[in-house]
Amino acid sequence: DQQVKQNSPSLSVQEGRISILNCDYTNSMFDYFLWYKKYPAEGPTFLISISSIKDKNEDGRFTVFLNKSAKHLSLHIVPSQPGDSAVYFCAIMEGGSEKLVFGKGTKLTVNP
Amino acid sequence: KAGVTQTPRYLIKTRGQQVTLSCSPISGHRSVSWYQQTPGQGLQFLFEYFSETQRNKGNFPGRFSGRQFSNSRSEMNVSTLELGDSALYLCASSSGAAVSRYTEAFFGQGTRLTVV
Repeated sequence: DQQVKQNSPSLSVQEGRISILNCDYTNSMFDYFLWYKKYPAEGPTFLISISSIKDKNEDGRFTVFLNKSAKHLSLHIVPSQPGDSAVYFCAIMEGGSEKLVFGKGTKLTVNP
Repeated sequence: KAGVTQTPRYLIKTRGQQVTLSCSPISGHRSVSWYQQTPGQGLQFLFEYFSETQRNKGNFPGRFSGRQFSNSRSEMNVSTLELGDSALYLCASSSGAAVSRYTEAFFGQGTRLTVV
């Protein structure tokens, strides 16, 4: 059973608009969440993270929101740029280890 | 500061052979984790090494093994290769320090293994 779910395999937005990527998780004990961006044939690149003691973390154009009661995580990118086109993975870091559990990813396409 | 280095970038092997992949973590990082990425299963955790000890293991058969050296460099080995082992193998390094629970993992570019 998937512990981390990204239900939208793809998302297409216009340049300059907001991109919202969503992620749901099953275990309320998870306490550290990360977003990675991945281009084809490259390793994932860390974007932003949030711990369960916060409900929002912002870094430039990227903001992550955490709704613990809904067990829901979202990544907002505003304004979106064509260079943001990539696959975005949400991940949780399991307690007591460095193990990351990834969602299946959402392919974001930002159209000029 | 150099990033995570994985070698080789590409490999083609025949069924039944074995393969060894290498990963050099970011300087100062002591934790190295390995992941397999396939189109069907996504990114799946293989194992993690910290200070030369396997600290965590994913749900992969015993054909998949690894080790870590005193300089934190790590290797993973896959024996008796199967067609289904064709994947992108990614290595991630992190500080692994117990000081802070919250640490990011940084990935290498991966090794693309094709089994024919």
